[in-house]
Amino acid sequence: GQQVMQIPQYQHVQEGEDFTTYCNSSTTLSNIQWYKQRPGGHPVFLIQLVKSGEVKKQKRLTFQFGEAKKNSSLHITATQTTDVGTYFCAGPGGVSNFGNEKLTFGTGTRLTIIP
Amino acid sequence: DAGVTQSPTHLIKTRGQQVTLRCSPISGHKSVSWYQQVLGQGPQFIFQYYEKEERGRGNFPDRFSARQFPNYSSELNVNALLLGDSALYLCASSLDIRAAELFFGEGSRLTVL
Repeated sequence: GQQVMQIPQYQHVQEGEDFTTYCNSSTTLSNIQWYKQRPGGHPVFLIQLVKSGEVKKQKRLTFQFGEAKKNSSLHITATQTTDVGTYFCAGPGGVSNFGNEKLTFGTGTRLTIIP
Repeated sequence: DAGVTQSPTHLIKTRGQQVTLRCSPISGHKSVSWYQQVLGQGPQFIFQYYEKEERGRGNFPDRFSARQFPNYSSELNVNALLLGDSALYLCASSLDIRAAELFFGEGSRLTVL
């Protein structure tokens, strides 16, 4: 079945340093989504990427979708304590392979910030 | 507007028992999905319902079942509980399966002793 892996599993950074997490799917994806889960909380949608090679920015966050639509990355510039949490990528796995059908979540990258 | 609501928030069961978890989606949302999240892992897909029909089922045994009601709320049932069923059960809703965003509830924390 479809597998979605993320590296690194954990990342500890000093506040103000940059952070990057990488996501790799075993299958080509129609779209990829990113979610953030704060400690003790639930996943919260961040963004969806659809096009090959797409790059989207949200303030200090930059998201990329690979040319082959099998990998993606999330980069955070100048981390802040509010960035603490686990970041998950997710791709649809349904037969029609669109939207949020049968989302397969990645293994996640847990970000901790050293003040 | 209210978000996705789940009940109960916490529950403790013993092996062999049965549990029913409930979810009310955001008003207007017609798709409901269930995910199991074991501590330290990503959410794992269990079921998705859209317009009261099952759209997908993850790699879970037949002990797991679900349904969606005419008002789009949903229930997840787990029979013959095992210790390994201990997890956070997350419900998520979306306008439909083509929508980009899933809105998650706070989850139901199940502990099986």
